[in-house]
Amino acid sequence: AQSVAQPEDQVNVAEGNPLTVKCTYSVSGNPYLFWYVQYPNRGLQFLLKYITGDNLVKGSYGFEAEFNKSQTSFHLKKPSALVSDSALYFCAVRDGAGNNRKLIWGLGTSLAVNP
Amino acid sequence: DAMVIQNPRYQVTQFGKPVTLSCSQTLNHNVMYWYQQKSSQAPKLLFHYYDKDFNNEADTPDNFQSRRPNTSFCFLDIRSPGLGDAAMYLCATSRTDSSYEQYFGPGTRLTVT
Repeated sequence: AQSVAQPEDQVNVAEGNPLTVKCTYSVSGNPYLFWYVQYPNRGLQFLLKYITGDNLVKGSYGFEAEFNKSQTSFHLKKPSALVSDSALYFCAVRDGAGNNRKLIWGLGTSLAVNP
Repeated sequence: DAMVIQNPRYQVTQFGKPVTLSCSQTLNHNVMYWYQQKSSQAPKLLFHYYDKDFNNEADTPDNFQSRRPNTSFCFLDIRSPGLGDAAMYLCATSRTDSSYEQYFGPGTRLTVT
């Protein structure tokens, strides 16, 4: 069965420090992996995705994520956190086999960046 | 700018009174989705359209229905809202290929009194 795990409900980091938001996944085929961010009372915004190719993908707002097939992980990272990065972050996966249009969502991680 | 628009942003309805939420897109995407999201939880897929092909999730209550009269518009109808249906409703679109990301509207927050 397909699944996504975000093991941390909340991550706290000081402004200027590097941040990591963790995600692990389970799919039967090749994974298509996505990160989304949600600010309060807003819709979700796409940050980045991994489909194939280079394991390190770069996205919006200085975020990047590294695909690790052996660890089935896709952790979101940023070298230097901003207070404005405080938001809810969702990891999602789609099984690349077939034309599957549905995403499996993690439960979300609340990121708090402290000044 | 191409985008996904949801109206209204806030909707208050009475218990049992039908309500319709609307979504429009200028991206010309084939696929449109409706999600329900409660208090910072993960979005829960209710159904999606691939063109006019309707795909209902097995656990979506019969109380929720949808219409897609054309590529640009999609509606969510809640026939008899209960207190448990109070939530944020998110519309999203994507291209056909499963490698493409979903683009979300700002959401409609539904309150049931």
